[in-house]
Amino acid sequence: DTAVSQTPKYLVTQMGNDKSIKCEQNLGHDTMYWYKQDSKKFLKIMFSYNNKELIINETVPNRFSPKSPDKAHLNLHINSLELGDSAVYFCASSQRRGTGELFFGEGSRLTVL
Amino acid sequence: QQPVQSPQAVILREGEDAVINCSSSKALYSVHWYRQKHGEAPVFLMILLKGGEQKGHEKISASFNEKKQQSSLYLTASQLSYSGTYFCGTPRGFGNEKLTFGTGTRLTIIP
Repeated sequence: DTAVSQTPKYLVTQMGNDKSIKCEQNLGHDTMYWYKQDSKKFLKIMFSYNNKELIINETVPNRFSPKSPDKAHLNLHINSLELGDSAVYFCASSQRRGTGELFFGEGSRLTVL
Repeated sequence: QQPVQSPQAVILREGEDAVINCSSSKALYSVHWYRQKHGEAPVFLMILLKGGEQKGHEKISASFNEKKQQSSLYLTASQLSYSGTYFCGTPRGFGNEKLTFGTGTRLTIIP
C-alpha cells in the first residue's frame, strides 16, 4: 500500500488547457502539501493544508487552486496552463503541524507544450 | 529565503567521505535533511531540533549550529546507494508546515 499516492504520474498538455492532479495519503496525517520541482531541481512549497484548512499559500498564481475534500486528500487544479508550469509536482504529508518528517508522493510530471 | 547549500555537486569514489553544508540567512528552529534519487521522490533522512545536536542515519550524520544558522551533513565511507541529490529543509517557525528546501547538492558515487 502506497503511503502517499498521486495521479496521474505524467501529464502532457497544450498551453491554455486545464489539468488536475490528485493526491491521497493513507497515513492518517493531518497536514498535506504541494511542492513544485523545476528543471533546476529546486523544491518550492506551493500550498499547505492542515485538516482541510489552507494554512500556507505561497506566491502562486491564482490559476492554481488546491482543494482538500477531506484530510486524506489534496488535489491541485491548474487553469490556463503556461509553458512555465512544466515541472514535477510533489504531494507530501506529515503529522499535525510539528516537526515530523514529510512523506512525499512519487510526483506528477507536467509537460506543457 | 532559500537556504544555500554547498557544494552544488560532488563526485566521490566509493568509500570516500563528504560534507554537505546548509546555510540560512534566518534563525533556524530545526533542520531537516532529505535525499532524492534520480526520478524518485525525496526521502527523509533526519531532523535536528537543537543547536549542536548531532544525529545519525546509517553512516550519515549531521550537525546543527543554531548560532551560525548552519547545518552540515557528513557521509562517511560512501556507498553507491548514497548517490542522489541532498536537500536541507528549514521551517519558517517551529512547525514544519512551511518547510523551505535548500538549493540541493548532487552527490555522485563512482565505483
